[in-house]
Amino acid sequence: AQSVTQPDIHITVSEGASLELRCNYSYGATPYLFWYVQSPGQGLQLLLKYFSGDTLVQGIKGFEAEFKRSQSSFNLRKPSVHWSDAAEYFCAVGAGYNTDKLIFGTGTRLQVFP
Amino acid sequence: NAGVTQTPKFQVLKTGQSMTLQCAQDMNHEYMSWYRQDPGMGLRLIHYSVGAGITDQGEVPNGYNVSRSTTEDFPLRLLSAAPSQTSVYFCASSYRGRSMNTEAFFGQGTRLTVV
Repeated sequence: AQSVTQPDIHITVSEGASLELRCNYSYGATPYLFWYVQSPGQGLQLLLKYFSGDTLVQGIKGFEAEFKRSQSSFNLRKPSVHWSDAAEYFCAVGAGYNTDKLIFGTGTRLQVFP
Repeated sequence: NAGVTQTPKFQVLKTGQSMTLQCAQDMNHEYMSWYRQDPGMGLRLIHYSVGAGITDQGEVPNGYNVSRSTTEDFPLRLLSAAPSQTSVYFCASSYRGRSMNTEAFFGQGTRLTVV
């Protein structure tokens, strides 16, 4: 069965520090992977996605993620965090090109200190 | 374009009451889905639809009904609300395309409390 694990429930970083949010997936075929961000009281916004090709994916707001098949991982990174990045981040896997059925991780809440 | 619109934004129900959460999209997307979000559990799929007249169950369908009579609308019905259905509900839509441009667009959510 497909599953997504986000091991870190809560991460705190200082503004300007680098960030890495971990995501591990379980899926039998080539996964289609997504990172979403949710600000308090808001819906989900897509940060980036991986379908195929280059394993380093660039997204919005300066985020990037690297797909590592050997480690079943799709970690999200940002070199320098801004206070406005404080939010909850969700990793998700989809079946093929179908985005009607997404399996989400439990999320990582990011807190940024000035 | 409005994107995905959910109504209402907030709702309080008494146990046993019924209600319908509305979801509409104006992007002509084939796929539409309903998720619920609970603390520490991420988002879980309730029901989804791959087109008008076609629906199927997701991971947590019990207590919910859906129908898809038009491409634009995908309402979620709670027939007899229970406290366990207290949650934040998100509707999503996406384009059924065999390309890398497809992604799911989410509404702003409906926060439902059942007392």
